[in-house]
Order: sequence, then structure tokens, then C-alpha cells
Amino acid sequence: DGGITQSPKYLFRKEGQNVTLSCEQNLNHDAMYWYRQDPGQGLRLIYYSQIVNDFQKGDIAEGYSVSREKKESFPLTVTSAQKNPTAFYLCASSIQGVSTEAFFGQGTRLTVV
Amino acid sequence: QQPVQSPQAVILREGEDAVINCSSSKALYSVHWYRQKHGEAPVFLMILLKGGEQKGHDKISASFNEKKQQSSLYLTASQLSYSGTYFCGTEPDGGATNKLIFGTGTLLAVQP
Repeated sequence: DGGITQSPKYLFRKEGQNVTLSCEQNLNHDAMYWYRQDPGQGLRLIYYSQIVNDFQKGDIAEGYSVSREKKESFPLTVTSAQKNPTAFYLCASSIQGVSTEAFFGQGTRLTVV
Repeated sequence: QQPVQSPQAVILREGEDAVINCSSSKALYSVHWYRQKHGEAPVFLMILLKGGEQKGHDKISASFNEKKQQSSLYLTASQLSYSGTYFCGTEPDGGATNKLIFGTGTLLAVQP
């Protein structure tokens, strides 16, 4: 079955450590996105990518990094520079940019202690 | 840049109607609507493109007023399954920005 997979579902890290969240899709979508979800703040765009080896910063990119070496993969690294990393992270993908339906993964809940 | 949604929360009885609004300070090319159940991924409802069209399926419909940079989602004769948080996603106009910016969300609770 086609879809978008995020792993792991829950992740715990100590403060000061970098952590990488996985996002894989087998929908052959060109565009991929990372969002952060906090209570009362909706979904905020971290990074997005329209094609392989290219990505752009969203509204809250500071403290995060991404790579897009393969069409199906768009991992997100939460670095130690991110001051408040505990949140729910959602990955999404769509065909040919945003004027088409976005499909979301099940999310990763990151807790930094 | 984040669009503002109103109301922030609404409680309904089954069969009642609701309207959720989404307002942007930027010119828009398209507006998306998604529903997210607690602990689950957001699910696509519909897209409205620049041109002021109105769309709908079943008892959920939406309108897009590009001049006012606003969209509204209409839920009629609500069912228990409509409960969840509704998000609008906006695509800025003016070129291939390829950014989808989501609103703050509206929590809808439908009670028996």
C-alpha cells in the first residue's frame, strides 16, 4: 500500500543531543514537508522540498536541518540549537507542489528531557 | 504569515450547523482544508483555488473569497464523526512559492 511513513512514533532524547526523524514515502510525490505541531499553534512549517537535492526554509527553520538525497526520503534533524524541541512533528508529501492534496504521516512525538 | 482561524473551538449537538473561518493577511492562490482527529494525521477535505469557487461533498462545503483573502468551511447537520480539529492551509499568491502555511486550528466537538 502506498503511503507516508514516519518513524519512530515516540522519541526521547537528552537535552543537547541531535536527533533525526525519519520520513519515507512511496507515493512517488515530488514535494515533501515538515511541520511542527504545538497545542494552540496549529501546524508550523519547518522545511519543504520540491525536488531532490533542493529544499527551502519554512517559518521556523532555526535549529533544524534537512536533506533530500532521494525522492522518497526527507529526514529532519533536530539539533541542539533548537531551544524548545519537545513537540509533535508531522511529515507530508504532495504531487507537483502545494495546489494538490497533501498526505500526512502519523507523526513523531519528540520529548527532550 | 500564519492564517488566523475562528472560532478557536466550538461545541455542537448532532444535527447542528457550524462555520469555521480562515483569514490571511497575504494574497492567496489556494486554500486547503484538513481535519485531524486526536493522535492521528490530518486528513484532506478539499482544496479551493483562486477564482472564488465554492466546493463541497456530502454535508461539508467551503467557499473562498480571494479579494478578502478569506475562506469559510460549512458543516451542516453535523455528525459525531465530524469531531476533530480543522485546519486551513494557505498557499500564497504571486509565484511559485510552493509553501503551504497552516492556520491555528479550530477544535470542533459534536455531542450526542
